[in-house]
Amino acid sequence: DTAVSQTPKYLVTQMGNDKSIKCEQNLGHDTMYWYKQDSKKFLKIMFSYNNKELIINETVPNRFSPKSPDKAHLNLHINSLELGDSAVYFCASSQVSGGNYNEQFFGPGTRLTVL
Amino acid sequence: EDQVTQSPEALRLQEGESSSLNCSYTVSGLRGLFWYRQDPGKGPEFLFTLYSAGEEKEKERLKATLTKKESFLHITAPKPEDSATYLCAAGGGYQKVTFGIGTKLQVIP
Repeated sequence: DTAVSQTPKYLVTQMGNDKSIKCEQNLGHDTMYWYKQDSKKFLKIMFSYNNKELIINETVPNRFSPKSPDKAHLNLHINSLELGDSAVYFCASSQVSGGNYNEQFFGPGTRLTVL
Repeated sequence: EDQVTQSPEALRLQEGESSSLNCSYTVSGLRGLFWYRQDPGKGPEFLFTLYSAGEEKEKERLKATLTKKESFLHITAPKPEDSATYLCAAGGGYQKVTFGIGTKLQVIP
């Protein structure tokens, strides 16, 4: 009973291709996130959706487009892949309630390699 | 801009040798200070949340504390299985959580 799942786990593709990563959570949370972890292991927020509404949209190239069909799913589509997009992408979810934040639960990550 | 700085970047301990990891944060209106553990090839795993200065939380050999500018993760008598990267994160405005670079801990038998 995986809490946050991502597919695929590994993605190897050529420069210029378009690819998607899917994320699903079964925790009933109302907020989902995409993070990028680079080669230096730094985890950086990319997007956040709360109840299917985009809340956080950091300085990310517009080649990256998130889509949330429902509260349990958040997908990431990447157009025209570049070498610098190679990284591990993590999906996470949390329940946002009141003023304080709750912990985030992370998926296993998708390692993207652009050749 | 929100900032989280962790030190040291890497720490090597003998089994049983206690130590502390530091997390300094600059966040306007802290809404939670989080500690995570990340093993190689896996996603971060939640350890603790702290909300107020003076708050402490414990779990097995780990204890997290919080002041108005810093958080510490104290590791008492660590074991080899405690080897991992420990990430600190601070929650600021607009539901944004900013992560530090992490401290890579190695515990040697």
